[in-house]
Amino acid sequence: QVQLVQSGAEVKKPGASVRVSCKAYGYTFNDYYIHWVRQVPGQGLEWMGRITPNSADTDYAQSFLDRVTMTRDTSIATAYMELSGLRSDDTAVYYCARLLIGCSTSSCYHDFWGQGTPVTVSS
Amino acid sequence: ENMLTQSPGTLSLFPGQRATLSCRARQSVSSKYLAWYQKKPGQPPRLLMHDASNRATGVPDRFSGSGSGTLFTLTISGLEPEDIAVYYCQQFDKSPFAFGQGTKLEI
Repeated sequence: QVQLVQSGAEVKKPGASVRVSCKAYGYTFNDYYIHWVRQVPGQGLEWMGRITPNSADTDYAQSFLDRVTMTRDTSIATAYMELSGLRSDDTAVYYCARLLIGCSTSSCYHDFWGQGTPVTVSS
Repeated sequence: ENMLTQSPGTLSLFPGQRATLSCRARQSVSSKYLAWYQKKPGQPPRLLMHDASNRATGVPDRFSGSGSGTLFTLTISGLEPEDIAVYYCQQFDKSPFAFGQGTKLEI
């Protein structure tokens, strides 16, 4: 069945980088974008960006443009999100979610999500 | 950016009552690009509605969605204790695919 399985919790120091992985199971990896969303404790859901697995094209939210890099390895159906220059306010749970490529001809929504990866930034 | 504004911020109701949650877009959004999610602590978001009014698989029929253009509504009829959560709308009309700030439902 469809699953997105993310890597485990991370603890990082300010200024460091973190890389979170998201491995896809049960569907054709290239048929869906992988989006990344985070939730800072006590706050709402924040869209960070997306990657197109086939082409590796990316689209980042303005607030993360200079710090986030999204990549993928299609051979193992895995997407990665790397966030650099970590600050304490990057402490959050990071989620990946899929979105059907070409959904503009039908409807768009995230039907499957990863379980979330807690990232703690602390000195 | 097509910002989404949800209201109210918090909704306190009793079991069996009806909850009406609103999501207002700064610019018009096609209904097929408007989704609703339920978020509980420690869990990933759960898709409730897509195309503004189509229930996702397994979602009870006490959940319904409506709206078009710039105003969309999620209605929960006959509230159950398990409906305690934060509810978010999201638009896919144009990047960035922003979420509303959420409505916290207390029962």
